[in-house]
Amino acid sequence: GAVVSQHPSWVICKSGTSVKIECRSLDFQATTMFWYRQFPKQSLMLMATSNEGSKATYEQGVEKDKFLINHASLTLSTLTVTSAHPEDSSFYICSAGMTNYGYTFGSGTRLTVV
Amino acid sequence: GESVGLHLPTLSVQEGDNSIINCAYSNSASDYFIWYKQESGKGPQFIIDIRSNMDKRQGQRVTVLLNKTVKHLSLQIAATQPGDSAVYFCAETYTGGFKTIFGAGTRLFVKA
Repeated sequence: GAVVSQHPSWVICKSGTSVKIECRSLDFQATTMFWYRQFPKQSLMLMATSNEGSKATYEQGVEKDKFLINHASLTLSTLTVTSAHPEDSSFYICSAGMTNYGYTFGSGTRLTVV
Repeated sequence: GESVGLHLPTLSVQEGDNSIINCAYSNSASDYFIWYKQESGKGPQFIIDIRSNMDKRQGQRVTVLLNKTVKHLSLQIAATQPGDSAVYFCAETYTGGFKTIFGAGTRLFVKA
């Protein structure tokens, strides 16, 4: 079955630094990947749609300059949280797949900004 | 970002009983629906899906019902087990776009 690998699983960083999260599709090619953020006891909120070879599409209210997305190949998308602050602490999850065939999710990355 | 609801309701059931988890979806144009299970600290795991041309689909111990008239989905889990304890999300998507929108989620507690 489709496998999506996300790395790192957790990261702690200092306020003001940047953090990069990787999402890889291991056994299939993903022209589209999605990035979600999840706060404790809440649902997943779509942040952006990552498109291979083109710019990401951001949801309303998500700062594209703060959450940089790069989808340079058919198997890798990265999310970089720039100048991270404590309010950016959250669980970040990526997914890949095809509309009408379901999506596979990564295992998530717990970001803590101190 | 888009999401339906913010805080998780909770359902508590006795081991061996059947569980019914409900979800209201938002977009009448959505034509594909998925139920996911999420355990603590992990990403969502696919459980079962249903297309809008169906109103019922059965899997192993799980059944999904779709009522398009009132934009309602339900997930039925038969003979609920302690390993079923998790948060369950419904998700909707539509052929005209790529986005999957998640519902609020329900936390299921299974009492032994």
